[in-house]
Amino acid sequence: AQSVTQLDSQVPVFEEAPVELRCNYSSSVSVYLFWYVQYPNQGLQLLLKYLSGSTLVKGINGFEAEFNKSQTSFHLRKPSVHISDTAEYFCAVRTNRDDKIIFGKGTRLHILP
Amino acid sequence: EAGVTQFPSHSVIEKGQTVTLRCDPISGHDNLYWYRRVMGKEIKFLLHFVKESKQDESGMPNNRFLAERTGGTYSTLKVQPAELEDSGVYFCASSQEFHRGSETQYFGPGTRLLVL
Repeated sequence: AQSVTQLDSQVPVFEEAPVELRCNYSSSVSVYLFWYVQYPNQGLQLLLKYLSGSTLVKGINGFEAEFNKSQTSFHLRKPSVHISDTAEYFCAVRTNRDDKIIFGKGTRLHILP
Repeated sequence: EAGVTQFPSHSVIEKGQTVTLRCDPISGHDNLYWYRRVMGKEIKFLLHFVKESKQDESGMPNNRFLAERTGGTYSTLKVQPAELEDSGVYFCASSQEFHRGSETQYFGPGTRLLVL
């Protein structure tokens, strides 16, 4: 079975500062990795995904994530956050053997002025 | 192009009542998924339709939950009778192609269900 651990439930960051949201996963088979974002009063939106190839994945809104197989991690980063990045961020995995996406518990990103 | 839509956005019902949630996927998407997030927990998979057929319903919690997808278009999720632990946000997602694992699932805004 697969599982996803998001180590921080909430992360406060000053505007224009860098941020890293941590994600570790567990799986006995190869996985695809995703980051989704939920802005206030909106649905889940795909930020980026890792399927294969380059371990550094760039997504929308200036976010990027790096797949590290040895550490089973897929941390999300942004060099300079904006107030509009206030949202909840979900790390997720999926295998090529079934249909379901396995989500982490989410990390709420609070941008401080 | 319209995204995934869900109705209602919020629902407050009493324990023992019935509630029906509706999801309209993106036009042309054969795959439709239901997920649920109970307060403070992860978003969890409930089931997957391919057109009108249930591909995987391993996440359905019990027989109080009934999902249908009439004609392979919109889907409904009925909870009957509702219990307190059914409270949460119910998300619907759809995708166009079935490349197991890699295709993007597009999510709706969710229905917030509160059972009192």
